[in-house]
Amino acid sequence: AQSVTQLGSHVSVSEGALVLLRCNYSSSVPPYLFWYVQYPNQGLQLLLKYTSAATLVKGINGFEAEFKKSETSFHLTKPSAHMSDAAEYFCAVIVPPKIIFGSGTRLSIRP
Amino acid sequence: GAGVSQSPRYKVTKRGQDVALRCDPISGHVSLYWYRQALGQGPEFLTYFNYEAQQDKSGLPNDRFSAERPEGSISTLTIQRTEQRDSAMYRCASSPSPGLAAIGDNEQFFGPGTRLTVL
Repeated sequence: AQSVTQLGSHVSVSEGALVLLRCNYSSSVPPYLFWYVQYPNQGLQLLLKYTSAATLVKGINGFEAEFKKSETSFHLTKPSAHMSDAAEYFCAVIVPPKIIFGSGTRLSIRP
Repeated sequence: GAGVSQSPRYKVTKRGQDVALRCDPISGHVSLYWYRQALGQGPEFLTYFNYEAQQDKSGLPNDRFSAERPEGSISTLTIQRTEQRDSAMYRCASSPSPGLAAIGDNEQFFGPGTRLTVL
């Protein structure tokens, strides 16, 4: 069965520092992976998606993720954190028709 | 409307009562999905519709949960005889493509959710 695992339920970085949120997947076939962001009191918003076209995927708000088959990973990064990045981030894999989500990582930004 | 809307945004009920949660998808979207999100967890799939037809209800926890989408637009998730363990955020999503569309067409747009608290 396909699934995703997010390492670290809470990550805290300083403003301007690198953001790294980890996601590993398990899949017997090439997966289609997503990162969603959830701001307080709002719905889930798609950040980016991997559909095998390119291993480095660029998303909104300066985020990007790299698909590494050898490591079964799809980590989310941003070179310089901004206060507005504080939110919960979910890695997910699609198993049509449903999306299977990881347990989420809460990102906090220190001034 | 501009996005998926859900009502009510917050619902507090007593154990044993029935509740109905509403989802208004993006106009014209073919498929509609219900997820449940417990505190500290990611959303978990409950059920989905293509147009008015319920395609998959494998994620519904038990027969107290039911959903309908009679006209292929608005959907209602009903929980009968609520229990404290039903307390969670219930999220709705819609997609312009059918549920088994090509992977690249599978983007789902999520609503803000309904937070249900059963006392």
